[in-house]
Amino acid sequence: AQSVTQLDSQVPVFEEAPVELRCNYSSSVSVYLFWYVQYPNQGLQLLLKYLSGSTLVKGINGFEAEFNKSQTSFHLRKPSVHISDTAEYFCAVTPFGSSYKLIFGSGTRLLVRP
Amino acid sequence: SQTIHQWPATLVQPVGSPLSLECTVEGTSNPNLYWYRQAAGRGLQLLFYSVGIGQISSEVPQNLSASRPQDRQFILSSKKLLLSDSGFYLCAWSIAEQTDTQYFGPGTRLTVL
Repeated sequence: AQSVTQLDSQVPVFEEAPVELRCNYSSSVSVYLFWYVQYPNQGLQLLLKYLSGSTLVKGINGFEAEFNKSQTSFHLRKPSVHISDTAEYFCAVTPFGSSYKLIFGSGTRLLVRP
Repeated sequence: SQTIHQWPATLVQPVGSPLSLECTVEGTSNPNLYWYRQAAGRGLQLLFYSVGIGQISSEVPQNLSASRPQDRQFILSSKKLLLSDSGFYLCAWSIAEQTDTQYFGPGTRLTVL
């Protein structure tokens, strides 16, 4: 079975500061990894994904994430956040061979303050 | 390009009433379709998925059911709603031959009173 842990339920940060949202996963098989963003009362939008290749993945809106297999982590980073980045961020994994099973973490609310 | 629609956007229903939420996808054929529920302050839980017309798999035993009467239509139903059915319901789709990425609809906010 797989599980995803997002330890920080909320991350407050000032505008233009850097941010890192943490994600760790547990799986007995290899997985694909994803970050989704959810703005208030909206659906989820794919930020970025890691399928294979370079462990540093760049996504939309200036976000990037690095896959670390030894630490089973996929932390999301942005060097300078904007007010508009305020949203809920979800880390998710899909195990190889069962790609319909998208397993989500509990989410991290990023709160950007002026 | 592909788009996914859900309606209604919001719904308030009394306990014991029936439910029907609809999801449709445009711009693709034979997609895989999914229903998720997001309870307040929690992550998303997969409820049902479908790989074709009339083919439904349930992930969690519950008060809900799903149907896929047409290739790009996915319906979530209940005969009698419970208070615990309140939440944000999201429909998603993926390309059948490339299921690694799912794309989500705008969601339906259901409140059961």
